[in-house]
Amino acid sequence: DAGITQSPRHKVTETGTPVTLRCHQTENHRYMYWYRQDPGHGLRLIHYSYGVKDTDKGEVSDGYSVSRSKTEDFLLTLESATSSQTSVYFCAISRDRVANTEAFFGQGTRLTVV
Amino acid sequence: GENVEQHPSTLSVQEGDSAVIKCTYSDSASNYFPWYKQELGKRPQLIIDIRSNVGEKKDQRIAVTLNKTAKHFSLHITETQPEDSAVYFCAASKDNNDMRFGAGTRLTVKP
Repeated sequence: DAGITQSPRHKVTETGTPVTLRCHQTENHRYMYWYRQDPGHGLRLIHYSYGVKDTDKGEVSDGYSVSRSKTEDFLLTLESATSSQTSVYFCAISRDRVANTEAFFGQGTRLTVV
Repeated sequence: GENVEQHPSTLSVQEGDSAVIKCTYSDSASNYFPWYKQELGKRPQLIIDIRSNVGEKKDQRIAVTLNKTAKHFSLHITETQPEDSAVYFCAASKDNNDMRFGAGTRLTVKP
């Protein structure tokens, strides 16, 4: 398995609180992604990064921000969590753009907003 | 943006039978079509992919076919085994990072 670690693996938080999820990789891959997985929707891209300090929005970016200050770390922040952000969050990495090479996923983080 | 529809949402087959999952996409510029398998509680993993310059690709018991004219592609699993039970996702993307996934198919292979 590719060296991707997500933390925490599970989190319960209250509505309105900030939450940060961390993705750490040891593969030195350029591209990193955050997806959310919800029943009936598959995987939806939130944000992605194509290098240190280089990020872009995905399909469902509202309410989320990201930062990448080092190649190995990609942080996803929910500034003020809402119940609609209850989901399973997956980080993924790829050596090149996902249309050109395989994306490897982390183990996922189950976030519950109460 | 791209829209990917996947059918069926659930599929149950007897061990040894074949399973077929179908996806359609909306953006004719899409040129890369991967399939991911996700076992219960695990991460999605790529099992096979196909590019728009190829009509069919096979890897042992799994194969994918692509019809660009009709904008649909399918996953075929032959001689199914209980370990094939999982959720399968199709996806489509152009030459960028906006890869759109289907909603998933839960395949159950009954012994």
